[in-house]
Amino acid sequence: GQQLNQSPQSMFIQEGEDVSMNCTSSSIFNTWLWYKQDPGEGPVLLIALYKAGELTSNGRLTAQFGITRKDSFLNISASIPSDVGIYFCAGFREYGNKLVFGAGTILRVKS
Amino acid sequence: DSGVTQTPKHLITATGQRVTLRCSPRSGDLSVYWYQQSLDQGLQFLIQYYNGEERAKGNILERFSAQQFPDLHSELNLSSLELGDSALYFCASSVSSVTYEQYFGPGTRLTVT
Repeated sequence: GQQLNQSPQSMFIQEGEDVSMNCTSSSIFNTWLWYKQDPGEGPVLLIALYKAGELTSNGRLTAQFGITRKDSFLNISASIPSDVGIYFCAGFREYGNKLVFGAGTILRVKS
Repeated sequence: DSGVTQTPKHLITATGQRVTLRCSPRSGDLSVYWYQQSLDQGLQFLIQYYNGEERAKGNILERFSAQQFPDLHSELNLSSLELGDSALYFCASSVSSVTYEQYFGPGTRLTVT
């Protein structure tokens, strides 16, 4: 089953709006990764986070490693139609050796 | 393009059959990971190989097996297929056994009829 709770499950946004999504767990994580998956494609790595409190940007995307090490956040600024897809958080638990994934956030943009 | 290749792109087969999925990692990557993605279970880690040796195991059924060859490509073998094995199977690779950033291939869509 899922060890990461990702929310929201889906969202519609207006083009140009900012988007926020998050991932939480009851376990401590050492690493957080954010991926985007387009239909029929494999997940594409967007951002990797390695330290509590770390804030990292990749273009219009910004992600943060939560200070408690139990959560992470992804923000997309000024959304555009090509942002449509499924965004997954993933992480390695403390002392874990397997990447676990959230259930994904489906992003739909109204153009 | 992540640099990870997978073949075939699509596979349709019948229950009880056996199939082999193939993956070539990014140039220079020594670790290969296999994942299954289904609608009800999401992305699930199956197994990891590093430089030819099994390194970690996830929710992999006994009917499934994998190996990594000296040229670092990997194969996932699925046998005695059941309808519930229909899913997307992804391969990912990373530089080392402890590198956290994994790069995914385009996947193989398996349909068992």
